[in-house]
Formats: sequence, structure tokens, C-alpha cells
Amino acid sequence: AQKITQTQPGMFVQEKEAVTLDCTYDTSDQSYGLFWYKQPSSGEMIFLIYQGSYDEQNATEGRYSLNFQKARKSANLVISASQLGDSAMYFCAMREGRNNFNKFYFGSGTKLNVKP
Amino acid sequence: GAVVSQHPSRVICKSGTSVKIECRSLDFQATTMFWYRQFPKQSLMLMATSNEGSKATYEQGVEKDKFLINHASLTLSTLTVTSAHPEDSSFYICSARISGLAVQTQYFGPGTRLLVL
Repeated sequence: AQKITQTQPGMFVQEKEAVTLDCTYDTSDQSYGLFWYKQPSSGEMIFLIYQGSYDEQNATEGRYSLNFQKARKSANLVISASQLGDSAMYFCAMREGRNNFNKFYFGSGTKLNVKP
Repeated sequence: GAVVSQHPSRVICKSGTSVKIECRSLDFQATTMFWYRQFPKQSLMLMATSNEGSKATYEQGVEKDKFLINHASLTLSTLTVTSAHPEDSSFYICSARISGLAVQTQYFGPGTRLLVL
């Protein structure tokens, strides 16, 4: 089974509007970490936000927030007030266990296009 | 913040030659680095985990004799693609993680685009 599933290959959003990028995960571990990365056309991977499995509050970082629904095993990324510079690939990732050196599993990505 | 660099950023080589890619952690010591491969419009695939002073751990299906990894110091890991062929053309990205910090993420290098003719 896929560890990380991103079901939206591509998304369009109007500038200044909010958009939600979906991510579901599969693990039997009680302790894990969930991450979102942005990859612009240049290729660099930019860390956006992190959610620990034991965190009770949804993570927020500026315009990014993570809608963490543990029972549903989903970790959707919400981008508020979209900007043209948000157009990029977005990857959801998971690290199982507490060890920060454990393997990361990446989803297949969602290509976001922000329209002016 | 923590920075990871890669060199070269782009390389074109002839089939049959070997290519070395360097991954350096600039602001911190990285006992563990990771090498990923990404084909166009696909996700990142972990190739191997590079440990300073010991042998790398390769993922299933990755040929260790073809993708040689050396992690000789706490700030440098190298990936050598030996006898490269056109199917090895890809985007190679390294990452490093910092031990003992609350920050849970890994820091990625800017990637190296390899084109084998």
C-alpha cells in the first residue's frame, strides 16, 4: 500500500483565494511526522510545514496551515491568500517513528497553478 | 538557517563515463545524508542513506556498484554514477538532517540535473 497518497495531480486556484491540497497517509506507527514541501520549477525542495502525530493543534506557518485529521489519516495543506509565486509542485511526506533519521516517504505531488 | 549545497548543478556527459556529485552541509555537521532521484513529473525516490564513516545503506533495487556513495567527512557526501547511461539521466537531490534539534525537517540541496548522451 502507498504510504502517502496525493490524489490531485493538478490544481488551479485564483490569486488571493485559498486552496486545499489533499494528502492521506498509511502507517501503523503511533509516532510519526508529516511534512509538506514546495518544489518550484528550479527543482529545489522548500520545507513548508511540519505536524507531529502527537501534536494536538494543527500546525500553521504564515499562509500555510495543515489540517490534521488523525482518525482519517489525512494531512491536507491549506494555502490562504494564494499568490502567483505559489505556483509549484507540492509534496506531502511522512517519517515514521521518532527518529529524525528514519526514511521519508513522499507522495506523487500536486502541481498548483495560481491564476492572476 | 541550515544550508545544503550540491555541485555541479547541471552536468552533461557521454555514455560510459562516470560522474561525481557532491553534497555539502554548510552550516552544520551532518552524520547522515540522503540521496534521492527524481524523474520528470515524478516524486522523489530515496536511493540511499549515507552515513559518515561507514557504508551507505541502499534502497531495494538501487545498484550499489553503480551508484557509489562516499561520506568521508561530517560535511561532505559524494554520489558517483559509474558508467553512466542515458537511462541514468535524472535529477539527483541530496538532503541532510540535524541531530538534536527540535526542527524535524530535512534540508535539501538544490539538486543536480544529469543528462547522459
